[in-house]
Amino acid sequence: EPEVTQTPSHQVTQMGQEVILRCVPISNHLYFYWYRQILGQKVEFLVSFYNNEISEKSEIFDDQFSVERPDGSNFTLKIRSTKLEDSAMYFCASSEAWTGGFHTEAFFGQGTRLTVV
Amino acid sequence: DAKTTQPPSMDCAEGRAANLPCNHSTISGNEYVYWYRQIHSQGPQYIIHGLKNNETNEMASLIITEDRKSSTLILPHATLRDTAVYYCIVRVDLVLSNFGNEKLTFGTGTRLTIIP
Repeated sequence: EPEVTQTPSHQVTQMGQEVILRCVPISNHLYFYWYRQILGQKVEFLVSFYNNEISEKSEIFDDQFSVERPDGSNFTLKIRSTKLEDSAMYFCASSEAWTGGFHTEAFFGQGTRLTVV
Repeated sequence: DAKTTQPPSMDCAEGRAANLPCNHSTISGNEYVYWYRQIHSQGPQYIIHGLKNNETNEMASLIITEDRKSSTLILPHATLRDTAVYYCIVRVDLVLSNFGNEKLTFGTGTRLTIIP
């Protein structure tokens, strides 16, 4: 079964450093997403990406964050100048583009646990 | 998207049917009910969705009341691997949601514990 792959599974970084979280979405999917989950809290939407541009972003996704699809398979989330409060599990997801039905399903990766120290 | 209300936790004996309720009293006519689950901090996993008819797939059944203000997810024969947080999410259909954007708004869900 196809799956969304995220690397690394755990990243530890010092406050103020930049991190790049990587994701390989399912190959025929065209919508990509990043979510985060701070320990013990809700899963929060960060950003969606389609056709090489951001289609929607939340208030959390400020100038500290950026996304990129550098090649045909990877989708990355860059966090500049990390803060302690950026410590969370970050989930990548992907879904097919709408093809005329009323439903597409979002597939999530297993997440990257980011710890900022 | 309409808000949902779920009990914070439930227990169910292994092998029995687990019935997880969800209230969505402000749901509008073009909004679907989706269920996802999250097993021990793994990525959320899609279970099932519906508009107004009852739905069944290999994982679960979804019963939506006639007025659509509430629904119940049924896991017919719960196993220990079904222990997870279950999220009921209401969202507009794709024609209105930017044609495929599957942005999901998660609540706190129901923590279901299957007891041996």
